[in-house]
Amino acid sequence: EVQLVESGGGLVQPGGSLRLSCAASGFTFSGDWMVWVRQAPGKELEWVANINQDGSVKHYVDSVMGRFTISRDNAKNSLYLQMNSLRAEDTAFYYCVRDPTPVISATAYDAFDVWGQGTLVTVSS
Amino acid sequence: AIQMTQSPSSLSASVGDRVTITCRASQGILNDLGWYQQKPGKAPKLLIYATSSLQDGVPSRFSGSGSGTDFTLTISRLQPEDFATYYCLQDYSYPRTFGQGTRVEMK
Repeated sequence: EVQLVESGGGLVQPGGSLRLSCAASGFTFSGDWMVWVRQAPGKELEWVANINQDGSVKHYVDSVMGRFTISRDNAKNSLYLQMNSLRAEDTAFYYCVRDPTPVISATAYDAFDVWGQGTLVTVSS
Repeated sequence: AIQMTQSPSSLSASVGDRVTITCRASQGILNDLGWYQQKPGKAPKLLIYATSSLQDGVPSRFSGSGSGTDFTLTISRLQPEDFATYYCLQDYSYPRTFGQGTRVEMK
């Protein structure tokens, strides 16, 4: 069964740090882009960051640039999100997502086809 | 960043109705758009990518169309399990951006 399981969420004070992990199973982890998407309680989805298959290419949303770092360990089938200098507005459920980037007529598209159950990060004093 | 605006923000419909949700991009995004369904307390589910390509296992009553700046998700005959919130997502440029969501409620 294809599965993504996040861990590492919790309550942290403003300015603190947290590292999220995502354990992948049931597919060839090293073959796919991976993504973090977050959702504040009751709010819309927000794309946070992605990373390519070997970890050499990463992109971030502006609001987390310089504070968050996405990484992966293909030997451990794991994705990570190191979050530093956390702010109240970072409070959200964080989802680990697979993106196999299907190709149609030589163009690759995003297709977030497998999602974890989410882990809640609460930034509050 | 490209802004994605969905309309309506919510709608009420009955089982069997034809439902149309629109997503407008603040600039042209070719056909780089996907649609996701989310039910309360659950992770989103991929419905459509590349504007009109149906994800494996998604019922054929879901369809997508559009190009450039205007896109549409259509549910041909609404089923009880389709009451949910729907989001569009552009993958034309970084950062990727979602629409604000359209909640489909039971009339």
